[in-house]
Amino acid sequence: GEQVEQRPPHLSVREGDSAVITCTYTDPNSYYFFWYKQEPGASLQLLMKVFSSTEINEGQGFTVLLNKKDKRLSLNLTAAHPGDSAAYFCAVRSGNTGKLIFGLGTTLQVQP
Amino acid sequence: GALVYQYPRRTICKSGTSMRMECQAVGFQATSVAWYRQSPQKTFELIALSTVNSAIKYEQNFTQEKFPISHPNLSFSSMTVLNAYLEDRGLYLCGARGDWGDQNTLYFGAGTRLSVL
Repeated sequence: GEQVEQRPPHLSVREGDSAVITCTYTDPNSYYFFWYKQEPGASLQLLMKVFSSTEINEGQGFTVLLNKKDKRLSLNLTAAHPGDSAAYFCAVRSGNTGKLIFGLGTTLQVQP
Repeated sequence: GALVYQYPRRTICKSGTSMRMECQAVGFQATSVAWYRQSPQKTFELIALSTVNSAIKYEQNFTQEKFPISHPNLSFSSMTVLNAYLEDRGLYLCGARGDWGDQNTLYFGAGTRLSVL
């Protein structure tokens, strides 16, 4: 079935540094892509969604890049701060089944 | 705006007993509802997808006998965890999409956290 691989599983950076999380997926028919943030003990917060074939979206303090040719999705926190410490999940909507499939998650720690 | 409410937020049940959780879509019609489980230290696994006027589709490791789901109308869904054991603990999320916002985006509730004693 469809798979979504997310790397790295754990990431520790210093405040002000950048942090990059990457997901690759197998279904070439995938067409919607999402990044979620989960703070400890909390539910999912939608950070951003992207649809186009190659797209760079900028949010508050982060950039999302989608490359459909390489089947790769990345989240780049440009200048991390301690409030960014959380688990981050990518999710891909399969074109074949319509199901939303999550990556395994990345636990980010930002040291002051 | 549209919101997805789940209740209870937290619950504890004894091993071998059952627990029902509910999901309410407010402000939009939820034509599809997906139930996910996040077990401790794991990602979100899809349990089943319920679409109005279609049969509920369960994923490979989940069955209707263990996780019966009801989706009686466009604003409500419930799922029961029957005979809950330790491996059933975790955060259960309901995600809904329908006639509001981006119809390809699942809007998640805050989840029901299940502990099993």
